[in-house]
Amino acid sequence: GQNIDQPTEMTATEGAIVQINCTYQTSGFNGLFWYQQHAGEAPTFLSYNVLDGLEEKGRFSSFLSRSKGYSYLLLKELQMKDSASYLCAVRDGSNYQLIWGAGTKLIIKP
Amino acid sequence: DVKVTQSSRYLVKRTGEKVFLECVQDMDHENMFWYRQDPGLGLRLIYFSYDVKMKEKGDIPEGYSVSREKKERFSLILESASTNQTSMYLCASSPRLAGETQYFGPGTRLLVL
Repeated sequence: GQNIDQPTEMTATEGAIVQINCTYQTSGFNGLFWYQQHAGEAPTFLSYNVLDGLEEKGRFSSFLSRSKGYSYLLLKELQMKDSASYLCAVRDGSNYQLIWGAGTKLIIKP
Repeated sequence: DVKVTQSSRYLVKRTGEKVFLECVQDMDHENMFWYRQDPGLGLRLIYFSYDVKMKEKGDIPEGYSVSREKKERFSLILESASTNQTSMYLCASSPRLAGETQYFGPGTRLLVL
């Protein structure tokens, strides 16, 4: 079956670094997305990985290992505004659909 | 900037009512999607459309229907609202290219009494 796993909740301190993991088991693979979603708002796109390795974008980086079915989102120099849910989604093949994880709620403490 | 708009942010309906949720995108995207989001669950796909007048069932189509008469507009219809359809409804659009992200509207929080 299709499955995406992420931790339900994580807590980190302002200014620190946090890594949010995502493991997936899908029938095919055609890219992995990370989205940020603040409470009561719509998800917004953060990153896209289709090849193995690290993609860096400012304070956020995303890593992918296709052989391990594993990705992580790395957030550096955490700010209070980074408190949000982070959603991992996989495009599983030739169609246009995404398979979504349940999201990781990140709580930032001063 | 891509803009996806939804007709209402908050909606309260009674059981049995017919409910229309409308979504409009201004970027000429081929693909449009309707999801619902409930606490503790991932986004669940209700229906999607990859072209005008085309529709495909997602994971949870029961109790819903859709309409795409124009490329920019994708409507979700609850034929007879039930309390278990109380949820956040999110519309998204994307270009046809495989690597492109989906862009989301602000969501409609529907309460069915």
